[in-house]
Amino acid sequence: DAGITQSPRHKVTETGTPVTLRCHQTENHRYMYWYRQDPGHGLRLIHYSYGVKDTDKGEVSDGYSVSRSKTEDFLLTLESATSSQTSVYFCAIRDEAYYGYTFGSGTRLTVV
Amino acid sequence: AQKVTQAQTEISVVEKEDVTLDCVYETRDTTYYLFWYKQPPSGELVFLIRRNSFDEQNEISGRYSWNFQKSTSSFNFTITASQVVDSAVYFCALSEAKGGFKTIFGAGTRLFVKA
Repeated sequence: DAGITQSPRHKVTETGTPVTLRCHQTENHRYMYWYRQDPGHGLRLIHYSYGVKDTDKGEVSDGYSVSRSKTEDFLLTLESATSSQTSVYFCAIRDEAYYGYTFGSGTRLTVV
Repeated sequence: AQKVTQAQTEISVVEKEDVTLDCVYETRDTTYYLFWYKQPPSGELVFLIRRNSFDEQNEISGRYSWNFQKSTSSFNFTITASQVVDSAVYFCALSEAKGGFKTIFGAGTRLFVKA
């Protein structure tokens, strides 16, 4: 178990408000990722990190920012939430043991 | 650009039937990884298998088997003697083998196994 947790698990917020989702891991993995899951699209990469303070954009990064000030925490921020950002957000770490991802349990975000 | 296509949106089978989930990918990389993940109704995402681009050996794990064919850029997943517990969404994924090891996912195939 990679010990990866996401918080909150569910959130409802209003359009235009800032929202921060947190991903926490306990095993010192270097690579961390944020994906969103929407029907018909599978999972799409928002941002990823390859070390403390080292981040880069994914395919759907507009409207999102990230920060990684400590190895264990990777934060995703929606600066001004829009209804199109209603989605399920998954954080993942790359497990060097099998080169695949271990995912958090997901955050269901609803923007009303 | 990399792409993963899972043409089957939904498949419905009766228990004990065999079922194959198709996956076709596109990449210009010579080295890459292919994966299958399972998402049961509870919502978590579970790693099933990884194949390296240089290893075309097929793999069998219990009732699950995977057929990797580089010539057709396909990485298909077969469940033999399906069970109700196999009901889930299955994602095929393609990862680069360098840089950020970014992974792109197919849209998923929802499998219903009826008793």
